[in-house]
Amino acid sequence: EADIYQTPRYLVIGTGKKITLECSQTMGHDKMYWYQQDPGMELHLIHYSYGVNSTEKGDLSSESTVSRIRTEHFPLTLESARPSHTSQYLCASSGYPWGTNPTSYGYTFGSGTRLTVV
Amino acid sequence: AQKITQTQPGMFVQEKEAVTLDCTYDTSDQSYGLFWYKQPSSGEMIFLIYQGSYDEQNATEGRYSLNFQKARKSANLVISASQLGDSAMYFCAMREFGGKLIFGQGTELSVKP
Repeated sequence: EADIYQTPRYLVIGTGKKITLECSQTMGHDKMYWYQQDPGMELHLIHYSYGVNSTEKGDLSSESTVSRIRTEHFPLTLESARPSHTSQYLCASSGYPWGTNPTSYGYTFGSGTRLTVV
Repeated sequence: AQKITQTQPGMFVQEKEAVTLDCTYDTSDQSYGLFWYKQPSSGEMIFLIYQGSYDEQNATEGRYSLNFQKARKSANLVISASQLGDSAMYFCAMREFGGKLIFGQGTELSVKP
């Protein structure tokens, strides 16, 4: 049973459309992250949050924006989708204490959203 | 800056043999954590194994073991008795101070029957 949920799983959308990728977790984790990943490539951190009303840009510049109004919810929005936004977007969360959960050691990933902009 | 390097874009291994996937890291932090994840073609991230920087013994989880050499800043993943289902992308990651995970470039492992 997943503790972090991403919707939709797949999305094909036309250029210029506004989209929101949803991410919700039920673990009460303070920290949440968005990663962008092209096929067969590494994961790049594009946004992270350390708690409600806290958002920061990650190491890879992105035209997307995020919000954190509730602890459990961390949506990502693209105001005007372009073909260059085609990628997989993975959401993750983490909480203290690290190193004590033998199944994940603190980090849980969603199943990802595969976005295709045509 | 913190960095993770995986120098093997692709690896082949015969079924039932062992394989080592390389990972080196760069950090000035004293406290950090190292992770290995498996990513099948479906795209989800599957946690495999974790090593804390203060752990004196190498981590093991079933067929997975982590060869941790702190002085050399390496954290190689060893998969014993490879299975066809092990074919996937494998990512090494490091937890930075503050909690962010940074990832290496990944290694695509193919297991041959």
